[in-house]
Amino acid sequence: GDSVTQMEGPVTLSEEAFLTINCTYTATGYPSLFWYVQYPGEGLQLLLKATKADDKGSNKGFEATYRKETTSFHLEKGSVQVSDSAVYFCALKVQGAQKLVFGQGTRLTINP
Amino acid sequence: DTAVSQTPKYLVTQMGNDKSIKCEQNLGHDTMYWYKQDSKKFLKIMFSYNNKELIINETVPNRFSPKSPDKAHLNLHINSLELGDSAVYFCASSPPGQLYEQYFGPGTRLTVT
Repeated sequence: GDSVTQMEGPVTLSEEAFLTINCTYTATGYPSLFWYVQYPGEGLQLLLKATKADDKGSNKGFEATYRKETTSFHLEKGSVQVSDSAVYFCALKVQGAQKLVFGQGTRLTINP
Repeated sequence: DTAVSQTPKYLVTQMGNDKSIKCEQNLGHDTMYWYKQDSKKFLKIMFSYNNKELIINETVPNRFSPKSPDKAHLNLHINSLELGDSAVYFCASSPPGQLYEQYFGPGTRLTVT
């Protein structure tokens, strides 16, 4: 079946550090890939997406590149801020499927 | 202007009770979802409706029954609540043809004692 695996959290960094959150996937068809973010006390919101191989999604300083050869979609940011503290979810949707498949989430805490 | 709203935000109840959670979206979306998020933040889809028609019904106890009176509303009724039902329940919606771009409500934290 389709699945998403993210790096185990929690991840704790200092402000202005470089961030990578790893995400790999298995899919029965051709997937589109997404990162969602959940700030404390809120619902999830779409952060960025990539719909085909080698696409790069970007938003709010975050980037992720769809790597079909390594079945990965790692999230990166060059300089994190305290306000980036949240839980990050990697997700996929296979063409024709009705639902998103989410990873287990990675909690990120940024210290000032 | 809240896009996806849920009521109540918090719900504390005893085992065996029956409770409902309501969801409304004012985005004009056709598809709505219910998710359950456990204490470890793992997110699991429960149900999805497209234009009032049930399209996803995951392996969920039949004590859970969704109802969609119209495409802007999706309610979740839970019978005979159990301790394991304690979780945060999220409603979401997505626009036509863009099932991946889901807009989530703020969640309902259900605590069963």
